[in-house]
Amino acid sequence: DAGVIQSPRHEVTEMGQEVTLRCKPISGHDYLFWYRQTMMRGLELLIYFNNNVPIDDSGMPEDRFSAKMPNASFSTLKIQPSEPRDSAVYFCASSPTASSYEQYFGPGTRLTVT
Amino acid sequence: GDSVTQMEGPVTLSEEAFLTINCTYTATGYPSLFWYVQYPGEGLQLLLKATKADDKGSNKGFEATYRKETTSFHLEKGSVQVSDSAVYFCALSERAAGNKLTFGGGTRVLVKP
Repeated sequence: DAGVIQSPRHEVTEMGQEVTLRCKPISGHDYLFWYRQTMMRGLELLIYFNNNVPIDDSGMPEDRFSAKMPNASFSTLKIQPSEPRDSAVYFCASSPTASSYEQYFGPGTRLTVT
Repeated sequence: GDSVTQMEGPVTLSEEAFLTINCTYTATGYPSLFWYVQYPGEGLQLLLKATKADDKGSNKGFEATYRKETTSFHLEKGSVQVSDSAVYFCALSERAAGNKLTFGGGTRVLVKP
């Protein structure tokens, strides 16, 4: 299996621009998670889906952030408009079943907002 | 709510030294416990896990034992290598929370030759 795939790996954008991060989970996994990692705040869970349905979005920082999962093999995290404080590494992870608890992480997208 | 506390780093060691990273947790139920490792520039990888009291998880020379009485899951390795330099995260998951993980803050380990 190719593992969790994220694109792009690096994104540099200007403040105010829209940013879209993409994730392809491992085939057959029921859960998908979006995390943000910064030096100041560590690893934060933003939102997670079960069978394409958002279950908990309490970690989404504000209305500028939105996430979708239109099908079992694709998810997006969108920031509109972006701000410099959104600069971070964003990870997507997937998990196979409700009893497994193991999450498989993608390589991350490093976002820099200038 | 659930929480995980692990020792702050960085931890700097010489090659072949003994490594211990302390991890304690607070949970309302009976969680599963994990150690994840993050190598530079990469995502997190599952290192080992334990799902019930007194279970010992092990992988790549690392070990951790689920201690319910002390609510701890300390990570140990007898002889570290330079390639073990990474950030290590302790985490827990409870059945009531689905597959959601609660992570500690991470401990950076640097092994010098």
